[in-house]
Amino acid sequence: QSVLTQPPSASGTPGQRVTISCIGSSSNIGRRTVNWYQHLPGTAPKLLIYSDDQRPSGVPDRFSGSKSGTSASLAISGLQSEDEADYYCAAWDDSLNGVFGGGTKLTVL
Amino acid sequence: QVQLQQSGPGLVKPSQTLSLTCAISGDSVSSNSAAWNWIRQSPSGGLEWLGRTYYRSKWYYDYAVSVKSRITISPDTSKNQFSLQLISVTPEDTAVYYCAGGRHITGWSPWGQGTLVTVSS
Repeated sequence: QSVLTQPPSASGTPGQRVTISCIGSSSNIGRRTVNWYQHLPGTAPKLLIYSDDQRPSGVPDRFSGSKSGTSASLAISGLQSEDEADYYCAAWDDSLNGVFGGGTKLTVL
Repeated sequence: QVQLQQSGPGLVKPSQTLSLTCAISGDSVSSNSAAWNWIRQSPSGGLEWLGRTYYRSKWYYDYAVSVKSRITISPDTSKNQFSLQLISVTPEDTAVYYCAGGRHITGWSPWGQGTLVTVSS
Protein backbone atom coordinates (compact mmCIF):
# COMPACT_ATOMS: atom_id res chain seq x y z
CA GLN A 1 0.00 0.00 0.00
CA SER A 2 1.68 3.18 -1.21
CA VAL A 3 1.64 6.42 0.79
CA LEU A 4 0.70 8.31 -2.38
CA THR A 5 -2.34 7.03 -4.30
CA GLN A 6 -2.35 6.83 -8.08
CA PRO A 7 -4.80 5.11 -10.41
CA PRO A 8 -3.27 1.81 -11.56
CA SER A 9 -4.01 2.51 -15.21
CA ALA A 10 -4.87 5.24 -17.68
CA SER A 11 -5.33 5.29 -21.43
CA GLY A 12 -5.85 7.57 -24.38
CA THR A 13 -5.65 7.73 -28.14
CA PRO A 14 -2.91 9.56 -30.05
CA GLY A 15 -3.38 13.31 -29.88
CA GLN A 16 -5.57 13.18 -26.77
CA ARG A 17 -4.89 14.76 -23.42
CA VAL A 18 -4.68 12.50 -20.39
CA THR A 19 -4.20 13.28 -16.73
CA ILE A 20 -2.86 11.14 -13.91
CA SER A 21 -3.68 11.98 -10.32
CA CYS A 22 -1.61 11.55 -7.18
CA ILE A 23 -3.33 11.87 -3.81
CA GLY A 24 -1.34 12.34 -0.63
CA SER A 25 -1.79 13.97 2.74
CA SER A 26 -0.82 16.97 4.82
CA SER A 27 2.44 15.27 5.81
CA ASN A 28 3.70 14.98 2.25
CA ILE A 29 2.07 16.65 -0.76
CA GLY A 30 0.33 19.19 1.45
CA ARG A 31 3.68 20.48 2.71
CA ARG A 32 6.26 19.49 0.10
CA THR A 33 6.78 19.55 -3.64
CA VAL A 34 5.86 16.73 -6.00
CA ASN A 35 7.99 15.16 -8.70
CA TRP A 36 6.94 12.87 -11.55
CA TYR A 37 8.95 10.09 -13.17
CA GLN A 38 8.47 8.20 -16.42
CA HIS A 39 9.57 4.56 -16.43
CA LEU A 40 9.96 2.55 -19.58
CA PRO A 41 10.56 -1.22 -19.23
CA GLY A 42 14.22 -2.14 -19.05
CA THR A 43 15.41 1.42 -18.50
CA ALA A 44 16.01 3.62 -15.48
CA PRO A 45 13.21 5.98 -14.47
CA LYS A 46 13.44 9.47 -15.93
CA LEU A 47 12.63 12.71 -14.14
CA LEU A 48 9.70 14.34 -15.92
CA ILE A 49 8.48 17.09 -13.57
CA TYR A 50 10.05 18.53 -10.40
CA SER A 51 8.88 21.07 -7.83
CA ASP A 52 5.23 20.45 -8.79
CA ASP A 53 5.34 22.01 -12.25
CA GLN A 54 8.92 22.45 -13.48
CA ARG A 55 10.23 20.59 -16.51
CA PRO A 56 13.90 19.59 -16.70
CA SER A 57 15.60 20.61 -19.92
CA GLY A 58 14.79 18.19 -22.71
CA VAL A 59 11.33 17.24 -21.47
CA PRO A 60 8.70 18.26 -24.04
CA ASP A 61 6.18 20.90 -23.00
CA ARG A 62 3.44 18.34 -23.70
CA PHE A 63 4.12 17.23 -20.13
CA SER A 64 2.88 19.48 -17.33
CA GLY A 65 2.37 19.19 -13.60
CA SER A 66 0.11 20.88 -11.10
CA LYS A 67 -0.71 20.67 -7.43
CA SER A 68 -3.60 21.71 -5.23
CA GLY A 69 -3.75 21.00 -1.52
CA THR A 70 -2.84 17.37 -0.94
CA SER A 71 -3.24 16.27 -4.57
CA ALA A 72 -1.10 16.59 -7.66
CA SER A 73 -1.65 15.85 -11.33
CA LEU A 74 0.43 15.06 -14.38
CA ALA A 75 -1.05 16.04 -17.72
CA ILE A 76 0.13 14.78 -21.08
CA SER A 77 -1.25 16.58 -24.12
CA GLY A 78 -0.90 15.52 -27.73
CA LEU A 79 -0.47 11.91 -26.61
CA GLN A 80 2.09 9.94 -28.62
CA SER A 81 2.76 6.21 -28.81
CA GLU A 82 6.16 6.67 -27.18
CA ASP A 83 4.43 8.04 -24.08
CA GLU A 84 3.27 4.52 -23.24
CA ALA A 85 5.05 3.88 -19.95
CA ASP A 86 4.62 3.73 -16.18
CA TYR A 87 4.35 7.06 -14.39
CA TYR A 88 5.17 7.62 -10.72
CA CYS A 89 4.66 10.59 -8.45
CA ALA A 90 7.03 11.17 -5.56
CA ALA A 91 7.09 13.44 -2.54
CA TRP A 92 8.91 13.94 0.72
CA ASP A 93 7.03 12.88 3.83
CA ASP A 94 7.59 14.38 7.28
CA SER A 95 7.84 10.95 8.90
CA LEU A 96 8.62 8.49 6.12
CA ASN A 97 11.12 10.56 4.08
CA GLY A 98 10.99 9.81 0.33
CA VAL A 99 7.73 8.23 -0.86
CA PHE A 100 6.38 7.15 -4.24
CA GLY A 101 2.93 6.55 -5.59
CA GLY A 102 2.07 3.04 -6.70
CA GLY A 103 2.50 3.97 -10.34
CA THR A 104 0.11 4.38 -13.27
CA LYS A 105 0.45 2.31 -16.42
CA LEU A 106 -0.40 4.51 -19.40
CA THR A 107 -1.62 2.77 -22.51
CA VAL A 108 -1.82 4.55 -25.86
CA LEU A 109 -4.68 2.93 -27.75
CA GLN B 1 27.13 15.91 -17.11
CA VAL B 2 26.74 13.66 -14.10
CA GLN B 3 26.78 9.92 -14.70
CA LEU B 4 26.34 7.04 -12.27
CA GLN B 5 27.71 3.53 -12.76
CA GLN B 6 26.51 0.74 -10.50
CA SER B 7 28.33 -2.46 -9.60
CA GLY B 8 27.70 -5.41 -7.34
CA PRO B 9 26.50 -9.02 -7.26
CA GLY B 10 23.18 -10.04 -8.72
CA LEU B 11 22.58 -12.96 -6.39
CA VAL B 12 22.55 -12.92 -2.60
CA LYS B 13 21.62 -15.74 -0.25
CA PRO B 14 18.88 -15.25 2.34
CA SER B 15 20.10 -13.81 5.67
CA GLN B 16 23.25 -12.45 4.03
CA THR B 17 24.19 -8.87 3.16
CA LEU B 18 23.36 -7.13 -0.11
CA SER B 19 26.13 -4.73 -1.17
CA LEU B 20 26.08 -2.38 -4.16
CA THR B 21 28.30 0.51 -5.22
CA CYS B 22 27.54 3.58 -7.32
CA ALA B 23 30.50 5.38 -8.92
CA ILE B 24 30.01 9.06 -9.70
CA SER B 25 31.48 10.96 -12.63
CA GLY B 26 30.90 14.64 -13.33
CA ASP B 27 30.24 15.57 -9.70
CA SER B 28 31.61 14.96 -6.25
CA VAL B 29 30.08 12.71 -3.61
CA SER B 30 30.97 15.42 -1.08
CA SER B 31 29.39 18.27 -3.07
CA ASN B 32 27.59 20.73 -0.82
CA SER B 33 24.60 20.88 -3.15
CA ALA B 34 24.07 17.24 -4.06
CA ALA B 35 22.45 14.20 -2.46
CA TRP B 36 22.93 10.55 -3.32
CA ASN B 37 20.07 8.08 -3.16
CA TRP B 38 19.22 4.40 -3.44
CA ILE B 39 15.85 3.37 -4.86
CA ARG B 40 14.50 -0.07 -5.74
CA GLN B 41 11.73 -1.57 -7.83
CA SER B 42 10.25 -4.83 -6.66
CA PRO B 43 8.94 -7.52 -9.04
CA SER B 44 5.42 -6.30 -8.23
CA GLY B 45 6.40 -3.07 -9.93
CA GLY B 46 6.38 -0.24 -7.43
CA LEU B 47 9.30 2.09 -6.75
CA GLU B 48 10.59 2.41 -3.20
CA TRP B 49 13.02 5.08 -1.99
CA LEU B 50 15.50 3.46 0.40
CA GLY B 51 17.75 6.21 1.63
CA ARG B 52 20.24 8.96 0.92
CA THR B 53 23.48 10.54 2.04
CA TYR B 54 24.65 14.09 1.56
CA TYR B 55 27.40 16.41 2.78
CA ARG B 56 26.74 19.81 4.34
CA SER B 57 29.92 20.44 6.34
CA LYS B 58 29.30 16.98 7.77
CA TRP B 59 27.69 13.79 6.47
CA TYR B 60 23.96 13.22 6.82
CA TYR B 61 21.96 10.05 6.32
CA ASP B 62 18.21 9.52 5.88
CA TYR B 63 16.60 6.12 5.53
CA ALA B 64 13.16 4.75 4.72
CA VAL B 65 11.33 3.56 7.81
CA SER B 66 10.71 0.19 6.17
CA VAL B 67 14.43 -0.68 6.02
CA LYS B 68 15.93 1.62 8.65
CA SER B 69 17.10 -1.19 10.93
CA ARG B 70 18.89 -3.01 8.09
CA ILE B 71 20.34 -0.36 5.79
CA THR B 72 23.59 1.58 5.63
CA ILE B 73 24.54 4.06 2.91
CA SER B 74 28.20 5.04 2.94
CA PRO B 75 30.12 7.64 0.95
CA ASP B 76 33.67 6.92 -0.21
CA THR B 77 35.41 10.20 -0.97
CA SER B 78 38.65 8.52 -2.07
CA LYS B 79 36.83 6.73 -4.91
CA ASN B 80 34.05 9.31 -5.42
CA GLN B 81 31.32 6.75 -4.93
CA PHE B 82 28.68 5.69 -2.46
CA SER B 83 27.46 2.28 -1.45
CA LEU B 84 24.40 0.46 -0.18
CA GLN B 85 24.46 -2.32 2.38
CA LEU B 86 21.29 -4.15 3.33
CA ILE B 87 21.69 -6.83 5.97
CA SER B 88 19.61 -9.92 6.73
CA VAL B 89 18.00 -10.01 3.31
CA THR B 90 14.97 -12.14 2.48
CA PRO B 91 13.35 -13.00 -0.87
CA GLU B 92 11.20 -9.87 -0.39
CA ASP B 93 14.37 -7.83 -0.99
CA THR B 94 14.58 -9.18 -4.54
CA ALA B 95 14.37 -6.09 -6.76
CA VAL B 96 16.10 -3.90 -9.31
CA TYR B 97 18.21 -1.48 -7.30
CA TYR B 98 19.01 1.99 -8.64
CA CYS B 99 21.29 4.71 -7.41
CA ALA B 100 20.21 8.27 -8.19
CA GLY B 101 21.67 11.70 -7.66
CA GLY B 102 19.82 14.80 -6.60
CA ARG B 103 17.73 16.27 -3.83
CA HIS B 104 13.98 15.74 -3.87
CA ILE B 105 13.27 19.43 -4.47
CA THR B 106 15.11 19.33 -7.80
CA GLY B 107 14.25 15.73 -8.58
CA TRP B 108 16.18 12.50 -8.48
CA SER B 109 18.34 12.59 -11.60
CA PRO B 110 20.48 11.11 -13.04
CA TRP B 111 19.96 7.43 -12.30
CA GLY B 112 22.32 4.51 -12.49
CA GLN B 113 21.64 1.71 -14.93
CA GLY B 114 19.99 -0.51 -12.33
CA THR B 115 21.09 -3.84 -10.87
CA LEU B 116 18.77 -6.81 -10.54
CA VAL B 117 19.47 -8.44 -7.18
CA THR B 118 17.86 -11.79 -6.53
CA VAL B 119 17.73 -13.17 -3.01
CA SER B 120 17.75 -16.93 -3.26
CA SER B 121 19.60 -19.91 -1.89
